[in-house]
Amino acid sequence: DAKTTQPPSMDCAEGRAANLPCNHSTISGNEYVYWYRQIHSQGPQYIIHGLKNNETNEMASLIITEDRKSSTLILPHATLRDTAVYYCIVPIGSNYQLIWGAGTKLIIKP
Amino acid sequence: EAGVVQSPRYKIIEKKQPVAFWCNPISGHNTLYWYLQNLGQGPELLIRYENEEAVDDSQLPKDRFSAERLKGVDSTLKIQPAELGDSAVYLCASSLGPGAYEQFFGPGTRLTVL
Repeated sequence: DAKTTQPPSMDCAEGRAANLPCNHSTISGNEYVYWYRQIHSQGPQYIIHGLKNNETNEMASLIITEDRKSSTLILPHATLRDTAVYYCIVPIGSNYQLIWGAGTKLIIKP
Repeated sequence: EAGVVQSPRYKIIEKKQPVAFWCNPISGHNTLYWYLQNLGQGPELLIRYENEEAVDDSQLPKDRFSAERLKGVDSTLKIQPAELGDSAVYLCASSLGPGAYEQFFGPGTRLTVL
């Protein structure tokens, strides 16, 4: 089962791009990378997921390296409301069970 | 569309008392999850339901925790008796199915055991 490693905390200035790294060096060829975030006092919220290709949606972009051993979540224009804990997860098993680490606490500063 | 509903939002009880949490998932979602989240940590799965069947309860402390999902819709998680170490946030989530890429979470119930 692939484990993920994330920095415990990061800061970013409001209006700038926030780049959150994740290491998943033991990921296997058919395992996806998922990102969720959790704003204070709320439940986690799905952001994006990907396998090999870069992905983009209305919330963020996901860049996965060619060897798939790491990825970066990009919030292109961070706002104060993006302050949250961001979780990078590689689901396990056929039922895509999510194993949550401690995530990265992202603080957006005005 | 209504999201996952949980109640109560907050609960304070004395140790050894029973407590119950209720969850109503998004309509049409067959899979329901209960998670426990301690301060500063990510959620930990307690139990997963497919319709009314508990298909993964390996992490549920069965000596004091129980759960049910009658009729395969809403669900109740119970602790009896509660211990000090049970103080945490209890999250409910639902998804269309077990392999669905997105789980939708409720706001959680914050339990404090005194």
